[in-house]
Order: sequence, then structure tokens, then C-alpha cells
Amino acid sequence: NAGVMQNPRHLVRRRGQEARLRCSPMKGHSHVYWYRQLPEEGLKFMVYLQKENIIDESGMPKERFSAEFPKEGPSILRIQQVVRGDSAAYFCASSPGTGPSLLYFGPGTRLTVT
Amino acid sequence: QKEVEQDPGPLSVPEGAIVSLNCTYSNSAFQYFMWYRQYSRKGPELLMYTYSSGNKEDGRFTAQVDKSSKYISLFIRDSQPSDSATYLCATGAGNQFYFGTGTSLTVIP
Repeated sequence: NAGVMQNPRHLVRRRGQEARLRCSPMKGHSHVYWYRQLPEEGLKFMVYLQKENIIDESGMPKERFSAEFPKEGPSILRIQQVVRGDSAAYFCASSPGTGPSLLYFGPGTRLTVT
Repeated sequence: QKEVEQDPGPLSVPEGAIVSLNCTYSNSAFQYFMWYRQYSRKGPELLMYTYSSGNKEDGRFTAQVDKSSKYISLFIRDSQPSDSATYLCATGAGNQFYFGTGTSLTVIP
């Protein structure tokens, strides 16, 4: 039973470029969460999505960041015009949406902006 | 006030010691309580979870929740060097989750 998949695992972008991070939830999970983690810091909630719906984006910067979870395919976190401050580890987590509400995390994407 | 407060450590113990990791939370409506283990440069791994006050044991790990004082603990018995990691507590209700900042643990052989 595959866990949460994220790709790419490492992403290097120059300032001003776009970054696209992908997340495939665990089989049977319909809820996806995105978190950002800076070195030596905790997990910062960004956005919570269900299929085709953004449920809570209160943690996501208003500009340059967007997220989607289409009916088919992975969830995408998109960062436009990246800046050095966007360098971080981005983790996706999924939850079944029914039954016990538990979060299962992926391995993360480490974004480096040069 | 943060939803979850966790002592960041770092904590360093000799192999074989009993480790106690602790968190407090602010909202009595929180229903579930989780502990995650995160190795360096890896994703958080769900270690234990519980929905009620009391103790839950799994091998060398015991999760304890005291809802009356809003206190969450994780005990590790006979700690091993492989337990060296950052431990994050988490709690929540519905589809809202709140994480502590993590406690860094080093077990010295």
C-alpha cells in the first residue's frame, strides 16, 4: 500500500521562475494538506484541499502561491516568481476524510531558490 | 496563545534512558492526539495516536493524554540511538490539525 508520494524530491529554481510541487495522496484518501517547514522550525500549515475544492487556505500567502486538487491527478502547489525566502521543505499530507482523522505525510519536496 | 506548545529541547540522553516528551494544548474541544517522529531531512512519520485520556502503549513507546490539564506526553523506554530524531506532537478536531514545533532528541550510545 503506497504511502503519500511527492515529486520532485529536490527542486532548484532561480529567482523569478515558477515551482510546481506535486502530491499524490494515499490510496483512498480524499483530503490533502500542504505544510512548509523551514530549518529548525515547525510545520506551518498552508492549505487544505478536498477533491476540486479548497477548504482552507488561511496559511497560504495571498500572492504567488496557489494550490489545486483536481478530480483526476495529483494535488499541485504552485509558486510563481519564486524568491529566496521560498526556499524550504514542503510537505504534503493526506487524510481519509472519514473515520479517524489522521494525517500521513509524504517525504517532502526541498525547494532551493538561487 | 498558540494552540499547541512544545518544549523545543534539544534533549540529549544516554542509551537505555527513559525519555519524556511533553506538550500542552489550549482548546478543550480537541479530540485526537498524535505523535510524529521526523528524522533529519525526512517527512514526519505517524508514531502514535489516541482519542481519549489515559495511556496507550506500543512497544517501547507510551502516549499519555490528560484532558483535564490539556497535557500530552510521549514516553520512550530503553531509548536507542535510532530514536534520535525530532518528535512533534499534534492535536485537532474535525479536519483541523495543530502541531507543536518539535523536540529534538539525541540518544548517545
